[in-house]
Amino acid sequence: GAVVSQHPSWVICKSGTSVKIECRSLDFQATTMFWYRQFPKQSLMLMATSNEGSKATYEQGVEKDKFLINHASLTLSTLTVTSAHPEDSSFYICSLALGSTGELFFGEGSRLTVL
Amino acid sequence: AQSVTQLDSQVPVFEEAPVELRCNYSSSVSVYLFWYVQYPNQGLQLLLKYLSGSTLVKGINGFEAEFNKSQTSFHLRKPSVHISDTAEYFCAVSDPMGAQKLVFGQGTRLTINP
Repeated sequence: GAVVSQHPSWVICKSGTSVKIECRSLDFQATTMFWYRQFPKQSLMLMATSNEGSKATYEQGVEKDKFLINHASLTLSTLTVTSAHPEDSSFYICSLALGSTGELFFGEGSRLTVL
Repeated sequence: AQSVTQLDSQVPVFEEAPVELRCNYSSSVSVYLFWYVQYPNQGLQLLLKYLSGSTLVKGINGFEAEFNKSQTSFHLRKPSVHISDTAEYFCAVSDPMGAQKLVFGQGTRLTINP
């Protein structure tokens, strides 16, 4: 399988600030990565598909100007939560897929708390 | 579009007892099916997957699942659980013809009591 690393694991920020979360594929080149969001005691909701060298594809209802995704290289995708508010507090998880089966390999997740 | 329903939000069992976590899916096309486990404050780890072939799939940590096409189910089982199995379990489905997107169920919290 693939090893996916996220940083930071925990982040606390003040309302109105921006936070960047990094997702790295340590042993495979990934042209596509996926960003999920998970609220407490809830399932994972796909936010966007990150595409290397092109614009991300956002799911319906996800604000692309608020959740900026950059996939500048085959091993790194970043998610920036801009002008964060308390309602953005959540667990953000990135993943990548190998092959065409849909099986995903997940990062450890990043817990964002906005005060 | 696919959807996944996990019928139990919480399942408490005693250590060394058997357990079954239920999962039903809805899809107009054939699907791939997955079970993932999530430990607190961690990402998800694949337990097992069904792509094709034998409907009984064995995974890691002694778990297995059976694909039942007629009942559109993919229930997860373990004959004897351990304290370390306490975690959140997610069933997921993907469309073989789709864009590698997984649709997750709501999750089942498995709690093992001594």
